[in-house]
Amino acid sequence: DAGVIQSPRHEVTEMGQEVTLRCKPISGHDYLFWYRQTMMRGLELLIYFNNNVPIDDSGMPEDRFSAKMPNASFSTLKIQPSEPRDSAVYFCASMRLAGADTQYFGPGTRLTVL
Amino acid sequence: EDQVTQSPEALRLQEGESSSLNCSYTVSGLRGLFWYRQDPGKGPEFLFTLYSAGEEKEKERLKATLTKKESFLHITAPKPEDSATYLCAVQGGGTSYGKLTFGQGTILTVHP
Repeated sequence: DAGVIQSPRHEVTEMGQEVTLRCKPISGHDYLFWYRQTMMRGLELLIYFNNNVPIDDSGMPEDRFSAKMPNASFSTLKIQPSEPRDSAVYFCASMRLAGADTQYFGPGTRLTVL
Repeated sequence: EDQVTQSPEALRLQEGESSSLNCSYTVSGLRGLFWYRQDPGKGPEFLFTLYSAGEEKEKERLKATLTKKESFLHITAPKPEDSATYLCAVQGGGTSYGKLTFGQGTILTVHP
């Protein structure tokens, strides 16, 4: 299996621009998670989906952030408008319901907002 | 609210010098405690899941143990390739299924 795939791997944008991060989970996994990692706050859960339905979005920092999962093999995390404080590494992870609760992480997208 | 505290923040070892990393947690009913390894520029890589106090799991030079308040990751005779950040996470019974709370991590450096 190819594992969790994220794109782009690096994104540099200017404040105010829209940013879209993409994730393809492992085939057959029921859950998809979006995390953000910074030096100050560590790894934080933003939102997660079960069978394409958002379950908990309490970690989404504000209305500028939105996430969708139109089908079982694709999800997006959008920031509009972006701000310098959004600079971080964003990870996507997926999990199979009968898979001993193990989440498998993608390689991450390093976002820099200038 | 679930909380996870890892110590030390950073640990430097000589090759072959065994040691332990600590993960203290506060949860409302533990569903599972997870250890991950993260190399620079990469996503966390799963190591172990522990479900109940007294449980132990081993993988090569790593051994994870669990009590009602903390978990230890024991590293026996480490090698330079064990250098990484080790993350601990918990899934509490009071949270939605699948939701993990991570600690800040311990940065391990093993010198040859």
